[in-house]
Amino acid sequence: DIQMTQSPSSLSASVGDRVTITCQASQDISNYLNWYQQKPGKAPKLLIYDASNLETGVPSRFSGSGSGTDFTFTISSLQPEDIATYYCQQYVFFGQGTRLEIK
Amino acid sequence: EVQLVESGGGLVQPGGSLRLSCAASGFTFSSYWMHWVRQAPGKGLVWVSRINSDGSSTSYADSVKGRFTISRDNAKNTLYLQMNSLRAEDTAVYYCARDVRQWLATYFDYWGQGTLVTVSS
Repeated sequence: DIQMTQSPSSLSASVGDRVTITCQASQDISNYLNWYQQKPGKAPKLLIYDASNLETGVPSRFSGSGSGTDFTFTISSLQPEDIATYYCQQYVFFGQGTRLEIK
Repeated sequence: EVQLVESGGGLVQPGGSLRLSCAASGFTFSSYWMHWVRQAPGKGLVWVSRINSDGSSTSYADSVKGRFTISRDNAKNTLYLQMNSLRAEDTAVYYCARDVRQWLATYFDYWGQGTLVTVSS
């Protein structure tokens, strides 16, 4: 099985801040890495697929990069509506999540 | 509009059974692989099971293998998860999700709203 390790597990930032979350795979997964946003009480929502492709309708302040084993998810300017937990995923393996809060 | 609507959750005693359903609409259901993903209270997302487009191939997480059965009825546009021998640790919100590409390169582009399963005496 592939292990997906996200960091940090929680993060507090101010509106307008640049926020970065990392995800490390236990083996080379090429660019097969996806990012989801989950707000409390809601289903996960796909934000980015194939490491860097923005899903249709997702604001451009969200971005992703990386390949191989190391990946990064970035919010360029944090907005209040971005408060959520973010998960990386490769196939059926999910990272443990990063809870993002407003400072 | 693509919609996935789960139902069938509820309170069940340890050792009991429950069948979840996921009604699909707005797309050609028979063309897509489908998954069940669960989330225990306050915890992260955990993959449970997957079925291919015609139902001929299935896969399960080790934690549910032998107890859960995934199936589908393409004529009814519905995905199922039969859960037997339920344990307290199966308590979670269960989501169905649509698989875009299959295998390693896939991602889940649509998710249902989830249905809560509580296993408790």
